[in-house]
Amino acid sequence: DVKVTQSSRYLVKRTGEKVFLECVQDMDHENMFWYRQDPGLGLRLIYFSYDVKMKEKGDIPEGYSVSREKKERFSLILESASTNQTSMYLCASSLSGYFRGTEAFFGQGTRLTVV
Amino acid sequence: DQQVKQNSPSLSVQEGRISILNCDYTNSMFDYFLWYKKYPAEGPTFLISISSIKDKNEDGRFTVFLNKSAKHLSLHIVPSQPGDSAVYFCATPPGRGSTLGRLYFGRGTQLTVWP
Repeated sequence: DVKVTQSSRYLVKRTGEKVFLECVQDMDHENMFWYRQDPGLGLRLIYFSYDVKMKEKGDIPEGYSVSREKKERFSLILESASTNQTSMYLCASSLSGYFRGTEAFFGQGTRLTVV
Repeated sequence: DQQVKQNSPSLSVQEGRISILNCDYTNSMFDYFLWYKKYPAEGPTFLISISSIKDKNEDGRFTVFLNKSAKHLSLHIVPSQPGDSAVYFCATPPGRGSTLGRLYFGRGTQLTVWP
């Protein structure tokens, strides 16, 4: 089974802190993603990566950056946390290739609260 | 603008009856659709998918129907069980040849199945 593991289930951070969310997948997937989920807004894509050191902005990249130094690891960075970044953050991975890679596997999520 | 729309934020169904969750999409070039299920404090899990070459795909109690002319798909759960209570998201990739690997998600429908 594919496993996507996020480093923390719950985090509480202060406004202005730099926050790192880590994600590791064990199935050698090329693609990795960071989404956030907010009530009534569904899943919104922040950033994704289709290869090591490659990254693409998603729909809401402002206030975030990412790092992918190794194929299995994808980090989301909140440069200066703000209260409007309080959310559920979900990491996902998938294979490359249309149809073959379409199904994304998600981690368990990190509930981040910024106070 | 939303590429995938789930216009019902919630649905309540009695155990044993049919649950029908609906999803509309905007672009006729979309040709593959997925449904995900999400419990609170967990990541979404893949449920069922359908390619545009089909109009129906069935997996146990779950059936997805696709109406390409209406740009509409629906997920039927028969019979509904209390364990089906979750948020259901429909999703689609942008289309062949477009940005690698990402999915567009709807805002989700909270299904509650009561005894």
